[in-house]
Amino acid sequence: QKEVEQNSGPLSVPEGAIASLNCTYSDRGSQSFFWYRQYSGKSPELIMSIYSNGDKEDGRFTAQLNKASQYVSLLIRDSQPSDSATYLCAVDGNQFYFGTGTSLTVIP
Amino acid sequence: EAQVTQNPRYLITVTGKKLTVTCSQNMNHEYMSWYRQDPGLGLRQIYYSMNVEVTDKGDVPEGYKVSRKEKRNFPLILESPSPNQTSLYFCASSFFGVSYNEQFFGPGTRLTVL
Repeated sequence: QKEVEQNSGPLSVPEGAIASLNCTYSDRGSQSFFWYRQYSGKSPELIMSIYSNGDKEDGRFTAQLNKASQYVSLLIRDSQPSDSATYLCAVDGNQFYFGTGTSLTVIP
Repeated sequence: EAQVTQNPRYLITVTGKKLTVTCSQNMNHEYMSWYRQDPGLGLRQIYYSMNVEVTDKGDVPEGYKVSRKEKRNFPLILESPSPNQTSLYFCASSFFGVSYNEQFFGPGTRLTVL
């Protein structure tokens, strides 16, 4: 079982819609959870971090954490074409683990 | 400006010719790491370092070496590169206290081994 699992997609949403990205992790001891955005050929950039159960909002982005279900999600409201990228979920453990990413396309 | 730098950004080489990719950070981070990224496989960790003179293997360490003699630098060494090491490489760094913190990534090095 992989440490971090994400649906690879691709996920396509129309402009203005809500994009929902999901991630599950295997280590119940994980304490820190991150979402990175990566444009093709570029380096990952951090967009959200979350450490406690519940929701954390930052602009159009909302991260949700449910430690009991070992589940992390990212909601992007009012999706824009510039949000088209691969989104990587990352979780701490014995190492820092990344999922393989979900490719998101926002259709104008 | 706080940043992680990598050099070179692009490199084409031949099988067996030793090469070093440099990584440097100016944020006084304890933790540094190297990843390779291949299509469909995501980011895979090669080596990481918790602090000076402390390094450990990640998931795909074969064919790579690292050293951490100074806090700011963490070079990646390929002593005898092979075509299967053709990839996009990222260096990252972060603070490390009781747990991992968000990692900051360098711009990447695209390596081609012929």
